[in-house]
Amino acid sequence: AQSVAQPEDQVNVAEGNPLTVKCTYSVSGNPYLFWYVQYPNRGLQFLLKYITGDNLVKGSYGFEAEFNKSQTSFHLKKPSALVSDSALYFCAVRAQWPFYSGGSNYKLTFGKGTLLTVNP
Amino acid sequence: GAVVSQHPSRVICKSGTSVKIECRSLDFQATTMFWYRQFPKQSLMLMATSNEGSKATYEQGVEKDKFLINHASLTLSTLTVTSAHPEDSSFYICSARVSGSGTDTQYFGPGTRLTVL
Repeated sequence: AQSVAQPEDQVNVAEGNPLTVKCTYSVSGNPYLFWYVQYPNRGLQFLLKYITGDNLVKGSYGFEAEFNKSQTSFHLKKPSALVSDSALYFCAVRAQWPFYSGGSNYKLTFGKGTLLTVNP
Repeated sequence: GAVVSQHPSRVICKSGTSVKIECRSLDFQATTMFWYRQFPKQSLMLMATSNEGSKATYEQGVEKDKFLINHASLTLSTLTVTSAHPEDSSFYICSARVSGSGTDTQYFGPGTRLTVL
């Protein structure tokens, strides 16, 4: 079974400071990894993904994430936080072929979410 | 690209009535769509996987007769909450899967807030 852990329920940073939102995962074989952001009463917005290749993935709004296979981590980072980055962030994982058999195994497993608050 | 819409965004209904929620992929075709439920300050709970032209695959514990899913075309999936009760009040989110050419990503709709009185 695949799983995702986001060890921090909440992260607070000051505007202009770097931010990190942590994520570790467990999956058979190689992972597909994703970060999504959710603003209040809205659906999830795709930020970035890792499938293969360069371990440092750059995404939307200046966010990036680093895939670390040995530590099974995929932490989300941004060099300089904005107040508008305040939102709920979800990490998600699913297995790559051949460790899924189609059907509902296309499904993503989400972490519980981390609430990021950027203070002015 | 990869825009997913949901309608309605918000619905209030009386207990015992049925409510239909639509999920559309606006600029791509999606053979697979997903329906999630989210309670306040919690993560997304997958309810079912909707495959175009076939029956939906429901997650354990989700009543298929209560949450009817129809994926009639490559751009539309619907979720009908039948005989709704107050405990069905929740935020329902759909997603559509884009795959092929080295990509495999789910794009999410904006969600539907259901309140059952």
